[in-house]
Amino acid sequence: KAGVTQTPRYLIKTRGQQVTLSCSPISGHRSVSWYQQTPGQGLQFLFEYFSETQRNKGNFPGRFSGRQFSNSRSEMNVSTLELGDSALYLCASSFRTGTYNEQFFGPGTRLTVL
Amino acid sequence: AQKVTQAQTEISVVEKEDVTLDCVYETRDTTYYLFWYKQPPSGELVFLIRRNSFDEQNEISGRYSWNFQKSTSSFNFTITASQVVDSAVYFCALSEESWVPGTYKYIFGTGTRLKVLA
Repeated sequence: KAGVTQTPRYLIKTRGQQVTLSCSPISGHRSVSWYQQTPGQGLQFLFEYFSETQRNKGNFPGRFSGRQFSNSRSEMNVSTLELGDSALYLCASSFRTGTYNEQFFGPGTRLTVL
Repeated sequence: AQKVTQAQTEISVVEKEDVTLDCVYETRDTTYYLFWYKQPPSGELVFLIRRNSFDEQNEISGRYSWNFQKSTSSFNFTITASQVVDSAVYFCALSEESWVPGTYKYIFGTGTRLKVLA
């Protein structure tokens, strides 16, 4: 079974631009979660989508948004980029939504904002 | 407030030594789940173990073992006879119901970087 894939793997943007990251979950998985990983803050939960609906949301500003398509693929969008948005963005998929699910992570997209 | 604490930011050991990674969590729920993940240099987190709050049995999987103690809110991870390939960042995570019914939170600790030297 193919793992979670994320594209692109690396991205360089400038302040004020917007960016869209993509995540394809493991086949059959319907839950996709997004995390931001930085050296200072560690792994922070952004949001989770399940069956095209946002189920959970972390404490991030409205500049961070996402969506999920009928095939479970998910996109994350960040508008008006700031220097502090530079991070590794990880996507994780699981079969169901819920507290008990282990998550399967993709390799991440490293975003650098100049 | 930090709900998952991994006080050890970095540990270095020599190959074949045993090493324990500490994890202390905080929750008011009676039902919750604890996880350990490994993040090798490639960046992809790998699931290692899940434990629910009602199961305090310790678990051993090869060279890995986990000690879950509700009395001290700890879920520690021990690697026996460490190897260079164990070098990675290890994350402890807590999953619990959120205040909105039907939703939940997945909270990671800040990770412990383990370096195993040959």
